[in-house]
Amino acid sequence: EPEVTQTPSHQVTQMGQEVILRCVPISNHLYFYWYRQILGQKVEFLVSFYNNEISEKSEIFDDQFSVERPDGSNFTLKIRSTKLEDSAMYFCASRKTSGGDNEQFFGPGTRLTVL
Amino acid sequence: AQSVAQPEDQVNVAEGNPLTVKCTYSVSGNPYLFWYVQYPNRGLQFLLKYITGDNLVKGSYGFEAEFNKSQTSFHLKKPSALVSDSALYFCAVRDYKLSFGAGTTVTVRA
Repeated sequence: EPEVTQTPSHQVTQMGQEVILRCVPISNHLYFYWYRQILGQKVEFLVSFYNNEISEKSEIFDDQFSVERPDGSNFTLKIRSTKLEDSAMYFCASRKTSGGDNEQFFGPGTRLTVL
Repeated sequence: AQSVAQPEDQVNVAEGNPLTVKCTYSVSGNPYLFWYVQYPNRGLQFLLKYITGDNLVKGSYGFEAEFNKSQTSFHLKKPSALVSDSALYFCAVRDYKLSFGAGTTVTVRA
């Protein structure tokens, strides 16, 4: 069964450094998402991406964040200058079509630790 | 804004007993409701969804959920819980994104 994959599984970085989190969505999916889950808190939406552009973003997704689909298979989330409060689990998700009955499929997550 | 609420942080049941995880929703228009499960150090796994049609929705691993429009609820149920059902369960509502509840930790004791 196809699945969403994410690398790395765990990333440790120093405050102020740039990080890139990588995701490979399911191959025939068209809609891509990033969510994050701070330890002990609910899963929060960051951004959605379709047709090579951001379709929606939350207030969390400020200028420090960017997303890209560089090669037609990978979907990346970049944090330019990490802060301590960026420490969280980051989940990538993909969905096949725009229909409301389509569920999103989630990757296993990348645990980001900012020191 | 669309939202869901999970009123219970934790649910504890004995193996073999019925399991219910509660969720209420607040939406404008027709709700698209989902349940996901998260096992330790794993991603979110889709369990089931309600879009339209029958109020009782059947999903993966023997789970089902009942959509109740008058009570704006979408409770997750399993008739006979297993120890392996111990996990974190999230209810979610979808417009252009998924909005998750805070999650309910389910512990099934042997």
